[in-house]
Amino acid sequence: DAGVTQSPTHLIKTRGQQVTLRCSPKSGHDTVSWYQQALGQGPQFIFQYYEEEERQRGNFPDRFSGHQFPNYSSELNVNALLLGDSALYLCASSELGQNRGYTFGSGTRLTVV
Amino acid sequence: EDKVVQSPLSLVVHEGDTVTLNCSYEVTNFRSLLWYKQEKKAPTFLFMLTSSGIEKKSGRLSSILDKKELSSILNITATQTGDSAIYLCAVVKPNNTDKLIFGTGTRLQVFP
Repeated sequence: DAGVTQSPTHLIKTRGQQVTLRCSPKSGHDTVSWYQQALGQGPQFIFQYYEEEERQRGNFPDRFSGHQFPNYSSELNVNALLLGDSALYLCASSELGQNRGYTFGSGTRLTVV
Repeated sequence: EDKVVQSPLSLVVHEGDTVTLNCSYEVTNFRSLLWYKQEKKAPTFLFMLTSSGIEKKSGRLSSILDKKELSSILNITATQTGDSAIYLCAVVKPNNTDKLIFGTGTRLQVFP
């Protein structure tokens, strides 16, 4: 039973560039949430996708956007990268409304230089 | 504003010690509280607590929720070097998104 898969594992980008991160949820899960974890901080909620729609958004600018595909996989896009976007980006999948917790992927470490 | 606070921020102990990690929350419409262990990247699930006073236990780890005090503790007995990690506490709000509100975590280092 595959868990949550994220790609790539590491990424280095230059300020101003754009990046796309990918996530495949755990089998049986229909909901994908994205979190940003800066060094020394807890993960911060970016947004959540269910049925290919963004259901709720955290306190992140419009430079952060996402998408969910019919097979429940998801992408996180960040435009006009800033140095402050350097962080670990975590994807978590769940079954909406089941309150059975989340399964996290290993994350993508993004470094902006 | 919803807030989850963990203490201490960092803890250094020797193998065999017992540790208690604290989590307090100020979250409207609380639904459940989760504990995660983060060793390198992926937080791994430890416990979900929804009812006050009921202890969840798994081996040397246990946790209790106190809804009256808006807090939870995570206990680790007979610590081992493999327990070294960041322990994250998160609260779930009962709206449609079930988003997690995390604390900053407690970094536990266990030395031989």
